[in-house]
Amino acid sequence: AQSVSQHNHHVILSEAASLELGCNYSYGGTVNLFWYVQYPGQHLQLLLKYFSGDPLVKGIKGFEAEFIKSKFSFNLRKPSVQWSDTAEYFCAVNAEDTGRRALTFGSGTRLQVQP
Amino acid sequence: GAVVSQHPSRVICKSGTSVKIECRSLDFQATTMFWYRQFPKQSLMLMATSNEGSKATYEQGVEKDKFLINHASLTLSTLTVTSAHPEDSSFYICSARGLAGGREQYFGPGTRLTVT
Repeated sequence: AQSVSQHNHHVILSEAASLELGCNYSYGGTVNLFWYVQYPGQHLQLLLKYFSGDPLVKGIKGFEAEFIKSKFSFNLRKPSVQWSDTAEYFCAVNAEDTGRRALTFGSGTRLQVQP
Repeated sequence: GAVVSQHPSRVICKSGTSVKIECRSLDFQATTMFWYRQFPKQSLMLMATSNEGSKATYEQGVEKDKFLINHASLTLSTLTVTSAHPEDSSFYICSARGLAGGREQYFGPGTRLTVT
């Protein structure tokens, strides 16, 4: 079974600081990878996704993520965070070749950006 | 495009009653819909996968007789929490995958269920 680990549970940054949130998954086959954001009181929104091709993917709001297959990682990055980035961030994985279509989510990382 | 709605957004019910939550894909046809549950400050846990016209597939530990899922059309799936108890209080979120076989899921805004 797939599992997803997000090691940073709570991150506090000042505005303009750089962000990197870790995501590791456990599955040896082909994966689809996602980062979702959940702003306070709002529903999940897709930040970015990786299916195949260039392992460096760019998403909305200046976020990007790099898929490193050898490390089973898909870390999320942003060079300069803003106060409005305060939210919960979830990494999710789907292993298409298992026939399982549902996403497996990590435990989430709460990002708090201080003005 | 790719909008998923849920109704109601919030519901409070008394212990022992049943509650139905609707999940609709508004501008696309969804062959597969998923129901997740999210406890406060925790991640989303998959409850079940429903395919249009067939029985839902439940995750281990999820009581199928308690959480009834119906996916009667390509745009509607319902989750009925039967004989609700306070421990069923949670945030229920649905998502949907499109007919064209796309790998992306689109999430609804969630339904906050409080059982008193």
